[in-house]
Amino acid sequence: GQSLEQPSEVTAVEGAIVQINCTYQTSGFYGLSWYQQHDGGAPTFLSYNALDGLEETGRFSSFLSRSDSYGYLLLQELQMKDSASYFCARGGNTPLVFGKGTRLSVIA
Amino acid sequence: EAGVTQFPSHSVIEKGQTVTLRCDPISGHDNLYWYRRVMGKEIKFLLHFVKESKQDESGMPNNRFLAERTGGTYSTLKVQPAELEDSGVYFCASSQVASPSGNTIYFGEGSWLTVV
Repeated sequence: GQSLEQPSEVTAVEGAIVQINCTYQTSGFYGLSWYQQHDGGAPTFLSYNALDGLEETGRFSSFLSRSDSYGYLLLQELQMKDSASYFCARGGNTPLVFGKGTRLSVIA
Repeated sequence: EAGVTQFPSHSVIEKGQTVTLRCDPISGHDNLYWYRRVMGKEIKFLLHFVKESKQDESGMPNNRFLAERTGGTYSTLKVQPAELEDSGVYFCASSQVASPSGNTIYFGEGSWLTVV
């Protein structure tokens, strides 16, 4: 299988740190990507992990553990504009397969 | 450089009618993908074109959906006749590589379809 599991909703306070987890099935897995989608907008690329470990891009970091079939997206210093849906997606020998998305609400 | 563009951005049609969605990929991208997101669910793969050929259409839900990419440039996705469950956002994406991940695939802003 190629499905991914991520929480449906997360709420966090402005300025805080939030972690969005994603587990995936390993068949044909190459790497894990993260996308952000604001309502009415296009999914936009945030981060990608092909190897185990942490990738850092500004306030966003992504982690992958291939042995655990698990990854997460870490958002630091949360801002109101970070309220959006976040999708993990697996790349492989087939087109991108997405999770159901995590709706992040940042509150004051 | 223009990104992936889609038209229309929003469409409301009655059950049984026909709708045609259009996608213009980034110039030079041979690979074009259609995805759909139904409210609260995953962004689900529908179909993959390489130039004008259908590389993978395993995600097309049924024969009411017809995708074309004549000439290997823009693509259309026709839904005929539309049903209520077809409502959702239809995303188009393009890439230069066949199995993209990370930042090698670019999405349009989607065509929001509401069937009433």
